[in-house]
Amino acid sequence: QKEVEQNSGPLSVPEGAIASLNCTYSDRGSQSFFWYRQYSGKSPELIMSIYSNGDKEDGRFTAQLNKASQYVSLLIRDSQPSDSATYLCAVNEDSWGKFQFGAGTQVVVTP
Amino acid sequence: GAGVSQSPRYKVTKRGQDVALRCDPISGHVSLYWYRQALGQGPEFLTYFNYEAQQDKSGLPNDRFSAERPEGSISTLTIQRTEQRDSAMYRCASTSETGTGELFFGEGSRLTVL
Repeated sequence: QKEVEQNSGPLSVPEGAIASLNCTYSDRGSQSFFWYRQYSGKSPELIMSIYSNGDKEDGRFTAQLNKASQYVSLLIRDSQPSDSATYLCAVNEDSWGKFQFGAGTQVVVTP
Repeated sequence: GAGVSQSPRYKVTKRGQDVALRCDPISGHVSLYWYRQALGQGPEFLTYFNYEAQQDKSGLPNDRFSAERPEGSISTLTIQRTEQRDSAMYRCASTSETGTGELFFGEGSRLTVL
């Protein structure tokens, strides 16, 4: 059974602190990795994609990928109340189509 | 349109009825995906198309579920003989590239089966 696993949370983070989100995946052949943000009652929207081992930074967000450990993470620096949402990890398992999502981690940024 | 459009946004039906959910992807997008999302869960893959070809339908729960995209644009997800357990948010997404592109989601169709 191919799986994408995340801690469900909620992850409570003080404003201005770093939020650290983790995701593991079971299919060693996975090629592409994504973090989506989903506000309550809204649709998921892409915030980061990563395809090779290492770190990728985009503003306050940093994605980290370790294919050997089958692990991808997301760091949110200087967390803001507007970052309060559910963060979904998605993995493209087949390199050409199917995206598998984790259950999501709820982040709550407290002022 | 500018984004992925789904209709109806809300559908309430009685158990045993058939329902059809429609998705109009972003113009020119090659790939179209259907997901189902329960409250508090991530999107669950149902099926996807490249152009008009259904590439993977492994996520369809049973043979009451079917999907088509006959002209490579608009897609319809049909659920026959609905059951209460089919109640969920059904989300459509499209991408301009096969595999590695960003998924653009529609607002979803919330199905309630009484």
